[in-house]
Amino acid sequence: DTAVSQTPKYLVTQMGNDKSIKCEQNLGHDTMYWYKQDSKKFLKIMFSYNNKELIINETVPNRFSPKSPDKAHLNLHINSLELGDSAVYFCASSQVGGALNYGYTFGSGTRLTVV
Amino acid sequence: AQTVTQSQPEMSVQEAETVTLSCTYDTSESNYYLFWYKQPPSRQMILVIRQEAYKQQNATENRFSVNFQKAAKSFSLKISDSQLGDTAMYFCAFFPTQGGSEKLVFGKGTKLTVNP
Repeated sequence: DTAVSQTPKYLVTQMGNDKSIKCEQNLGHDTMYWYKQDSKKFLKIMFSYNNKELIINETVPNRFSPKSPDKAHLNLHINSLELGDSAVYFCASSQVGGALNYGYTFGSGTRLTVV
Repeated sequence: AQTVTQSQPEMSVQEAETVTLSCTYDTSESNYYLFWYKQPPSRQMILVIRQEAYKQQNATENRFSVNFQKAAKSFSLKISDSQLGDTAMYFCAFFPTQGGSEKLVFGKGTKLTVNP
């Protein structure tokens, strides 16, 4: 069973479209995250949610909107996609204050290509 | 703000040899966690090793060990008996335990190639 699963793994879309990436974790963790990895492999946090509550919202365009229907799910919706949004997006989860022994558990990433 | 610096963008090593990847970080906190993650070409992020700042003993996981120098804010990763499967990007990461907005802060990574 996959601990943190993201769908889709690959997403190719045209500029101006709206798309969503879904993430689910079955680890019982309280906190979930979205990270963006750019073409130079740099990983930067975008959002984090703890028990459905937004905790971290880094400087991210308003076109990006996370949604957490429950603590096991954190989805990312992107409006009006731009060429610069092309990147790999990682979902991750952790048990803040608890299982830091294991750091974050990451999903396998979604490679988004905007053409 | 915490920063993590990996000064070696790329490194290479011969199979079976030992290699050390460097990492330094900047923080005013006294307690935190440090991690090394591996990202092979499959792009999966894999936890290699972790270190708690309040523990002086260096962490070890099989062929992977760290040299943690808290005063120098240095956290290097040593890979012994390198294997072809160790070829990957390696990221050093910092996780504070205070402040309320805990998040992993990553360095820019070191691309390691293990040559046969």
